Amino acid sequence: GQQLNQSPQSMFIQEGEDVSMNCTSSSIFNTWLWYKQDPGEGPVLLIALYKAGELTSNGRLTAQFGITRKDSFLNISASIPSDVGIYFCAGQPSGSARQLTFGSGTQLTVLP
Amino acid sequence: EAGVAQSPRYKIIEKRQSVAFWCNPISGHATLYWYQQILGQGPKLLIQFQNNGVVDDSQLPKDRFSAERLKGVDSTLKIQPAKLEDSAVYLCASSFTGTGEGYTFGSGTRLTVV
Repeated sequence: GQQLNQSPQSMFIQEGEDVSMNCTSSSIFNTWLWYKQDPGEGPVLLIALYKAGELTSNGRLTAQFGITRKDSFLNISASIPSDVGIYFCAGQPSGSARQLTFGSGTQLTVLP
Repeated sequence: EAGVAQSPRYKIIEKRQSVAFWCNPISGHATLYWYQQILGQGPKLLIQFQNNGVVDDSQLPKDRFSAERLKGVDSTLKIQPAKLEDSAVYLCASSFTGTGEGYTFGSGTRLTVV
């Protein structure tokens, strides 16, 4: 099946710093999504990307759909304590079923 | 709108016992998914329903896992008998459009098999 490699696995940053994480796939996706998961909760959608090369922002978050359609990047600027959590990339292929394949997650810790 | 409801929130069972999880999707969402999330990993799809029909159950371990969505609304996921490696969070999600942006996840059921 499709595999998503997400890196880094974990990050420790100071409050106010910027952070980047990325995801690569062995297969092409038509949609890339980035989710955040807080402890004891399900993933919540942050950003959705639909076209190769697309750059989309949501507040301090910016994500890009790689031009090869096999990768995506998420940047968080000026981190704050509430950014703590696990960030997942997810890819969605074309086709009738269109299930999401998730990466293994990036655990973000923001130090005061 | 109300979110995806799941119960119970937590469950501890001994291996070889059986367990069932319940999911009530968002009203009007035709597509329902069950995901398994093992600690330290991303969610992995177990089964996808469209209304009360199964779209994809290729990753469901059918020797021990079963799921149904009677009447195309609520769904139950059952494990019988449970193994230690079934310890995970079981997430239910529903979608109106079938696209990733339309997914809404429940808070999950954390299963511990001892």
